[in-house]
Order: sequence, then C-alpha cells, then structure tokens
Amino acid sequence: DTEVTQTPKHLVMGMTNKKSLKCEQHMGHRAMYWYKQKAKKPPELMFVYSYEKLSINESVPSRFSPECPNSSLLNLHLHALQPEDSALYLCASSQVYAGGGTGELFFGEGSRLTVL
Amino acid sequence: DQQVKQNSPSLSVQEGRISILNCDYTNSMFDYFLWYKKYPAEGPTFLISISSIKDKNEDGRFTVFLNKSAKHLSLHIVPSQPGDSAVYFCAASFSTLGRLYFGRGTQLTVWP
Repeated sequence: DTEVTQTPKHLVMGMTNKKSLKCEQHMGHRAMYWYKQKAKKPPELMFVYSYEKLSINESVPSRFSPECPNSSLLNLHLHALQPEDSALYLCASSQVYAGGGTGELFFGEGSRLTVL
Repeated sequence: DQQVKQNSPSLSVQEGRISILNCDYTNSMFDYFLWYKKYPAEGPTFLISISSIKDKNEDGRFTVFLNKSAKHLSLHIVPSQPGDSAVYFCAASFSTLGRLYFGRGTQLTVWP
C-alpha cells in the first residue's frame, strides 16, 4: 500500500464554519505534512509532524489547527477561514523527517477547499 | 526567496520527440533532487530522483541529469507521449530532512 488517502476531496464552507480535513497512510511513515497549493503555484509547506510531534509550523495562522492522533493519521482543523484560504490542501508522508530516508514524499490527491 | 527555479512556465513538444525540462537551484547544500508530475485536481506524483553524488539517473523513458557546478538539473523524457502532458515540479532537499523546496512548475503539453 503506497497510498496517502485524503478526505473529503471537496469541501465548501462558510467563514463561520468549523470543519476538518483528514489524511491517512499505512506505509509506516513517521513524518507527515500539510501543504497548501494555489493555482499555478508550487505546494507551500504548512506543517510537519515527526513521530506524531509537531516539528515545523511555517507561521500558519491559528485558524488552521493540525492534529496527529497517531502515526497513521493527520488532521487539519479549520475554523473562521477567509476566502483567500481557498486552495488545494495536500497531505504527504515520508519515511522520516530528519536523519535519513530517501527524501521522497508521497502525496495524497488533495482536498479542494472553497471558502465562501 | 525562491531557492529552486523553473524558468519556463510551459513547454510544448510533439509526440515521439524529446522533452527537456530545466531546473536551477541556488543552495549548494541541497543534496537530493526530485521531479514530481501533477495532473489537474490531483496531488503531485513522484517521478524520479537523483542524489548529489550522481550526475545521471535513468528510469525507463525518464532521465534526470545533475550538473552540480552549474547548480542545474534537467529532466529528459524520450519519447514524449500525450499522457505525459502535466505540470512537472522540480524539488530539492537536504537528505537529512524530509522538507522539499519546490520550483514553480513547468506545464508540459505533448501534442500528437
């Protein structure tokens, strides 16, 4: 199994809503990532979890709240988002974050978020 | 500051010909380089990689060349097929860390 599974594939929410994006992998990877991608732009790193601990927060606004319940799951909780937060949110995993591994990230298909 | 640059936003190639996608980087400490392919509405898919100790890596129709002195790498696709039409992202990393630094991508269109 070399898949990273993201749900939902599409999400439309209002600025006062609370929603969550979910990500799952069963490759035994110990590093998981959230990236944000806008049209015609490269993926931008948001968060990195290494061994279920938050290692990197790229100065992401607090209206985005990541959670890593276990080594296979990664959530992104969304609250009070703005229309400019509309984007494709990509989850990825890799063997490890630091100290080795191949450097290869496996990406999910993404969750397309629209904030009205 | 963009540490990985893909200066050609698009490339159009006829089916059967060679596609050459280019990438430049500024940080000489990068030691691992990857190419990802992305179709619309899908996440990026890993294509091929190269370690800085090599200057060439080949996988089927795909070959990546690395010129460390020029801080330049390229992806060659031979022969190009219409199914190769996608956005190609170059990425670089420090092999001790899993974080990738992406270029802006090049839209490849292969026409029959």
